[in-house]
Amino acid sequence: AQSVTQPDIHITVSEGASLELRCNYSYGATPYLFWYVQSPGQGLQLLLKYFSGDTLVQGIKGFEAEFKRSQSSFNLRKPSVHWSDAAEYFCAVGAYGGATNKLIFGTGTLLAVQP
Amino acid sequence: NAGVTQTPKFQVLKTGQSMTLQCAQDMNHNSMYWYRQDPGMGLRLIYYSASEGTTDKGEVPNGYNVSRLNKREFSLRLESAAPSQTSVYFCASSEALRSLETQYFGPGTRLLVL
Repeated sequence: AQSVTQPDIHITVSEGASLELRCNYSYGATPYLFWYVQSPGQGLQLLLKYFSGDTLVQGIKGFEAEFKRSQSSFNLRKPSVHWSDAAEYFCAVGAYGGATNKLIFGTGTLLAVQP
Repeated sequence: NAGVTQTPKFQVLKTGQSMTLQCAQDMNHNSMYWYRQDPGMGLRLIYYSASEGTTDKGEVPNGYNVSRLNKREFSLRLESAAPSQTSVYFCASSEALRSLETQYFGPGTRLLVL
């Protein structure tokens, strides 16, 4: 069965520092992978997605993620964090070539940014 | 474009009461979804609608019903609310029911069942 693991429940970084949020997935074939961000009191917004091609994906707000098949990972990175990046981040996996769009979400990583 | 809108934003119910959560999208999307979000559990799919006139169960459908009223609107009904249904509910939509399609989310409805 598909599953997504985000091992870090909560991360705190200083403004200007680099960021890496971890995501591991379990799926038998090549997955579709997504990162969403949820700001306080808001709905989820897509940051980036991967479904084929270049394993390094660029997203909005300066984020990028790298798909590593050998590690079943899709980690999210940003070289320099801004205070406005404080939010909760969700990794999600979708079935490859499936007729349904049943995204499986991880439990989320809450990012705090220190001044 | 407003995107995906949800009403109400907040609701408090007593056990056994019923209510309907409303969702509408103005992006001409074919597919719509209802999720619930609980602490430490991420988002879980309750029901989805591939296109107007069709609905299907997701991961956690018990205690809920849905109606795809037209292409724009997808409502979620709690017939007899229970404290276990205290959660934040998100509606989402996508162009089609394919896994590569981006889902667009509404701002959520926060429901407390006493």
